[in-house]
Amino acid sequence: GENVEQHPSTLSVQEGDSAVIKCTYSDSASNYFPWYKQELGKGPQLIIDIRSNVGEKKDQRIAVTLNKTAKHFSLHITETQPEDSAVYFCAASITGGSYIPTFGRGTSLIVHP
Amino acid sequence: DSGVTQTPKHLITATGQRVTLRCSPRSGDLSVYWYQQSLDQGLQFLIQYYNGEERAKGNILERFSAQQFPDLHSELNLSSLELGDSALYFCASSVEWTGGAGELFFGEGSRLTVL
Repeated sequence: GENVEQHPSTLSVQEGDSAVIKCTYSDSASNYFPWYKQELGKGPQLIIDIRSNVGEKKDQRIAVTLNKTAKHFSLHITETQPEDSAVYFCAASITGGSYIPTFGRGTSLIVHP
Repeated sequence: DSGVTQTPKHLITATGQRVTLRCSPRSGDLSVYWYQQSLDQGLQFLIQYYNGEERAKGNILERFSAQQFPDLHSELNLSSLELGDSALYFCASSVEWTGGAGELFFGEGSRLTVL
């Protein structure tokens, strides 16, 4: 089955800096890569996703890049703010059929004011 | 607010006991997923139901079982509890039965503590 590795497990940055979280996946058939943000005491919430026919996607201060050849995708957050502090999860799955997303272990992002 | 409701939010029980966690999906969502979140294990998929039928099974222990009722709410039953079962249990829902197609909407979780 799919295996998703996520790094780093903890990331500490100063407000205004950029943050990058990286994930690798093992199943070359995976074609859908969502990112979820989990704030303290809440459930994960989708913040951005990318499909395999796209190399990059942006939404304001967040962007995701995908390298299918290397089976690698990353989340980029620019101009970080304290409210970006949360746990971020990457996931990989195959659209169609009963394919369940496989999640990485999460990255705890801490943005210091 | 995701629209997914989980009860109870917190539960403390003893080893060997049995508990039931309840989930009400978003209005209109037919698919329900259960995940276990431990400190260093991330989100582990347990089981998925679609419109009352089991669709996919993950690393769910034999001591655990689940079902989805005609009104689409779901229950996760955990029995013969062990200390290692202490975790945050999430329910998520989606419109389609294929979770890979799009967004999962997560509830706020049920925190289980086994003493």
